[in-house]
Amino acid sequence: SYDLTQAPSLSVSPGQTASITCSGDKLGDRFVYWFQQKTGQSPLLVIYHSIKRPSGIPERFSGSKSGNTATLTIRGTQAMDEAVYYCQAWTGTVIFGGGTKVTVL
Amino acid sequence: QVQLVQSGSELKKPGASVKVSCKASGYIFTKYAVNWVRQAPGQGLEWMGWINTNSGDPTYAQGFRGRYVFSLDTSVNTAYLEITSLKSEDTAVYYCAREESGAYDNWGQGTLVSVTS
Repeated sequence: SYDLTQAPSLSVSPGQTASITCSGDKLGDRFVYWFQQKTGQSPLLVIYHSIKRPSGIPERFSGSKSGNTATLTIRGTQAMDEAVYYCQAWTGTVIFGGGTKVTVL
Repeated sequence: QVQLVQSGSELKKPGASVKVSCKASGYIFTKYAVNWVRQAPGQGLEWMGWINTNSGDPTYAQGFRGRYVFSLDTSVNTAYLEITSLKSEDTAVYYCAREESGAYDNWGQGTLVSVTS
């Protein structure tokens, strides 16, 4: 089966940059989507088509991809960005990464 | 504005059935597919499949074939997820999500289905 691999957790200080990675075979050929899920809330799309930001998502969120690794970068991380972040791709079926819990402290 | 409003929490016994609704508003319902995603307690997101809101054709992910049924009532802009022969392992939050060009851009608030004897 196809997997998307994410680190389980990441800690970042307020104002610093958080880089959340997602790796998988042939990810370079596919669009990647990123979701933010805060505790008790529904997922929120923050990046689509690997690099695009939906309207209403702050500019501090950006997406990139190099080879088979996609990265969600949060610049100037704020306390409100504390959440679990999931990557997702279509590989003949829809696959989500296991999620990265970002703690801001 | 686009909204997906799901039905409320359900408490069911093993072997029973449950039907979760997802009512859309703020856009033309039949122009965007509806996907279903499961999240077990403390776990990640798991794609269940999608339904073509124009044709009504469902597609089920592996692992969600047999006891799961996606359906529509386009007269009330609503998608449904029915799960039969419930098991304790079905305890989860179920989300509907609108799909635009591959992106799940709007999500329902989630419906908690608890299965316990």
